[in-house]
Amino acid sequence: DARVTQTPRHKVTEMGQEVTMRCQPILGHNTVFWYRQTMMQGLELLAYFRNRAPLDDSGMPKDRFSAEMPDATLATLKIQPSEPRDSAVYFCASALGTSNEKLFFGSGTQLSVL
Amino acid sequence: AQSVAQPEDQVNVAEGNPLTVKCTYSVSGNPYLFWYVQYPNRGLQFLLKYITGDNLVKGSYGFEAEFNKSQTSFHLKKPSALVSDSALYFCAVRENTGGFKTIFGAGTRLFVKA
Repeated sequence: DARVTQTPRHKVTEMGQEVTMRCQPILGHNTVFWYRQTMMQGLELLAYFRNRAPLDDSGMPKDRFSAEMPDATLATLKIQPSEPRDSAVYFCASALGTSNEKLFFGSGTQLSVL
Repeated sequence: AQSVAQPEDQVNVAEGNPLTVKCTYSVSGNPYLFWYVQYPNRGLQFLLKYITGDNLVKGSYGFEAEFNKSQTSFHLKKPSALVSDSALYFCAVRENTGGFKTIFGAGTRLFVKA
């Protein structure tokens, strides 16, 4: 079955360190989303891309977060420097190009910043 | 701006009884509406969607949802709950203006007791 692949599954780091999370969308999907899930805030949309171009990153703290798609098979989310409040599960999702399509989610990256 | 409200943090139901998980939404125009389910340590999985047409939408695992435009609601239902339905359920909305921004509700935890 085609699936969205996220790496790493778990990441423990110390405050101030750089964190990079990677996502491989399903082949042929041209819309990619990054979400953050916490108990307090639920599922927050951080950013999303269409055809590798960022369409909306208004949910992302710009001073420390950055999201890119170097090519159609890779999306990255970086945090530099990381802070304890960034601890969360980060999900990547992808979808086909028409706007009524469902999202396919990866298994997430569990990030703990100490 | 889009928004989704899931008024119940938790729903408890006995196995074999019908279940309802509530969702209301707000969008500028007409919506695309989705339900997803999340099992522990997993990404979200698609259950069903409303695009247009029949207000009663049928989805995976015996779930269905009813779109009510006047009440701006999209409640998830199942005639007979199973213990294995216990999970976290998310409602999501997207404006049907050709965009892709998808906003999720806070989630409702469903407990089905044997």
